[in-house]
Amino acid sequence: EVQLVESGGGLVKPGGSLRLSCEASGFTFSNAWMSWVRQAPGKGLEWVGRIKSKTDGGTIDYSEPVKGRFTFSRDDSKNTLYLQMNSLKTEDTAVYYCATLGYWGQGTMVTVSS
Amino acid sequence: QLELTQSPSASASLGASVKLTCTLSSGHSNYAIAWHQQQPEKGPRYLMNLNSDGSHSKGDGIPDRFSGSSSGAERYLTISSLQSEDEADYYCQTWGSGSWVFGGGTKLTVL
Repeated sequence: EVQLVESGGGLVKPGGSLRLSCEASGFTFSNAWMSWVRQAPGKGLEWVGRIKSKTDGGTIDYSEPVKGRFTFSRDDSKNTLYLQMNSLKTEDTAVYYCATLGYWGQGTMVTVSS
Repeated sequence: QLELTQSPSASASLGASVKLTCTLSSGHSNYAIAWHQQQPEKGPRYLMNLNSDGSHSKGDGIPDRFSGSSSGAERYLTISSLQSEDEADYYCQTWGSGSWVFGGGTKLTVL
């Protein structure tokens, strides 16, 4: 059974940092292109970015709102995807989901507030 | 620019059928999309991939009541024999150059 389990969310002040994790199981993580998607309260889904598999070059693409502030990485030995979020803004408040083709995690809430 | 357009809301009666529409922006009518369901207070759930020719492949455990079809730039999700648990937000999504693009979502109410 495929599982994606996010963790690391919480309350952080504007300008602060947070690191999210997404632990994967049930599929060959090292071959997967992984994405982060977020959903602000009461809003729709917003793509945050994607990291390709290392065999496909490991290329990372970010959406414009997070470029330069967010960093994706992956540890294929641990089947884990990471999202390092720096210089957080109130508009980054959202549930953050990791996803790959056909599967979603349950999400972790990030609240940026003073 | 690649965009997906969805009606904000739809409604249908219990046991009836409903057809939700996702429209691709001009010049992108041959793009495949994916449909996702988000029930209240839950994370999204992948329903299916849908190609421009109407062929589709569903996710694990998705009932036969869910089907997809295509016509030109329109992509459809049909849900038959509506059940109360089908009341949810439905998002279409496609793949741009290095990115995912989402429609605004359709909130389906089951009457």
